[in-house]
Amino acid sequence: DADVTQTPRNRITKTGKRIMLECSQTKGHDRMYWYRQDPGLGLRLIYYSFDVKDINKGEISDGYSVSRQAQAKFSLSLESAIPNQTALYFCATSDLGLVSGELFFGEGSRLTVL
Amino acid sequence: AQTVTQSQPEMSVQEAETVTLSCTYDTSESDYYLFWYKQPPSRQMILVIRQEAYKQQNATENRFSVNFQKAAKSFSLKISDSQLGDAAMYFCALTYNNNDMRFGAGTRLTVKP
Repeated sequence: DADVTQTPRNRITKTGKRIMLECSQTKGHDRMYWYRQDPGLGLRLIYYSFDVKDINKGEISDGYSVSRQAQAKFSLSLESAIPNQTALYFCATSDLGLVSGELFFGEGSRLTVL
Repeated sequence: AQTVTQSQPEMSVQEAETVTLSCTYDTSESDYYLFWYKQPPSRQMILVIRQEAYKQQNATENRFSVNFQKAAKSFSLKISDSQLGDAAMYFCALTYNNNDMRFGAGTRLTVKP
């Protein structure tokens, strides 16, 4: 089984719907991140969390919210999805932080908003 | 502000040959870290190589090496003896703290048999 698991792997939804992307990890890491990947833009940070009581906004948090239910679970929500939120979303974890370079990624959740 | 620029959207290389992927960056920090990540068709991002800015020696991992030019803010990735399994998107990334990692737009590498 993957160390960082994202569900769903693919999802098509309609404008205005609420969507939740889930991430769970078995690596025992405290630090978890949500990134968004768009063609020509690379990956951009949406939210990050260093523990269950610590949630921080990233570069592009507008239109998104997150929940850290437990050390191992970090969910990303789109309260009212819009077409420009169509993207590939990645959850990642880190033990020592970004400077260590060891970001462990899930396989991504491809979201299409019609 | 930190920015990372990859000016080559696509590159191709013949199997067994060498290819260099370019990356330039901008940061006002003196201490920072640079990375190359690989994204194969499976989508999962994999760390290829890491470079601390305070280290002058270029990082090497088997067939992968970097040419780090701090003054020029350049961080290129050289892949030697290219293999079919090297075909992927490659992302250059930069961070100076534990809060954010900035990625370039990526370079899609094709390996021809």
